[in-house]
Amino acid sequence: EVQLVESGGGLVKPGESLRLSCAASGFTFSTYNMNWVRQAPGKGLEWVSSISHSTNYIYYADSVKGRFTISRDNAKNSLSLQMNSLRAEDTAVYYCARGGDAVVVAQAWFDPWGQGTLVTVSS
Amino acid sequence: QSVLTQPPSASGTPGQRVTISCSGSSSNLGSNYVYWYQQLPGTAPKLLIYKNNQRPSGVPDRFSGSKSGTSASLAISGLRSDDEAVYYCAAWDVSLSGAVFGGGTKLTVL
Repeated sequence: EVQLVESGGGLVKPGESLRLSCAASGFTFSTYNMNWVRQAPGKGLEWVSSISHSTNYIYYADSVKGRFTISRDNAKNSLSLQMNSLRAEDTAVYYCARGGDAVVVAQAWFDPWGQGTLVTVSS
Repeated sequence: QSVLTQPPSASGTPGQRVTISCSGSSSNLGSNYVYWYQQLPGTAPKLLIYKNNQRPSGVPDRFSGSKSGTSASLAISGLRSDDEAVYYCAAWDVSLSGAVFGGGTKLTVL
C-alpha cells in the first residue's frame, strides 16, 4: 500500500524556520516526482513546490520562492520542505503528494496525498 | 482569486446529475491536462479524474470529466449523500511554471 506520512509541523513565530518531512513507503520512491500542496484553514488548495525524481527539475510557487527549499533523499525514501522566514500567511496544513506520472513533473497530477501536517505561524 | 475559476457551490438531490465547471486560460487548461480532486470533510484530497477524463481505479464511473479549450467540467451522475465534498480542478500553468487550483466547489446533496 502506498503511504505518505508528513511530520514536522508545529507552532512557530513569524520569521522563524521549520522543516517538514514526508516518509514514503509502498512504492519505488526514487522513480516518482514529489510535491507539496498546502491548505490554509477554511481555504482552498495551493500548490507549493514540486521536485523531479532525480532532482533535476524543481519548481516553487511565487509565494514561497526564495524562502522555501524542497529536497529529497531517495536512499531514505524521504521528501523535505525547509521553510525559512515564515509568515502568518504560511499557516496551513501541508500535504505531501506523489506525482502521478513518473516522467513529467510539470503537471497537476497528485496521487496519493498524505494526511497533512499543520504549520501555524503566529506571535 | 484563483487562477482557475469554479462556482463556489453546487447542489442536487439523490440520483440527480450535477456538473461542476472549471474555467482557465491558454496557459493552463488550454495547454495542459485538467485534474479533479475530491476532498471529503476533514480528510486529505483524493484524485478523482486525471488527464481530463481518466478515472483512477476505484473511482466509480458515476464520475466523469471533460475538457474543451480553456474550460473543463466534472459530472457526477446518480448523486449520493456521500458525494458531499469540496471538488477542486487543477492544471499546470506554463506561464507561472507551477500548478494552479480552482477555488473549490462545495457540493451539497439535498
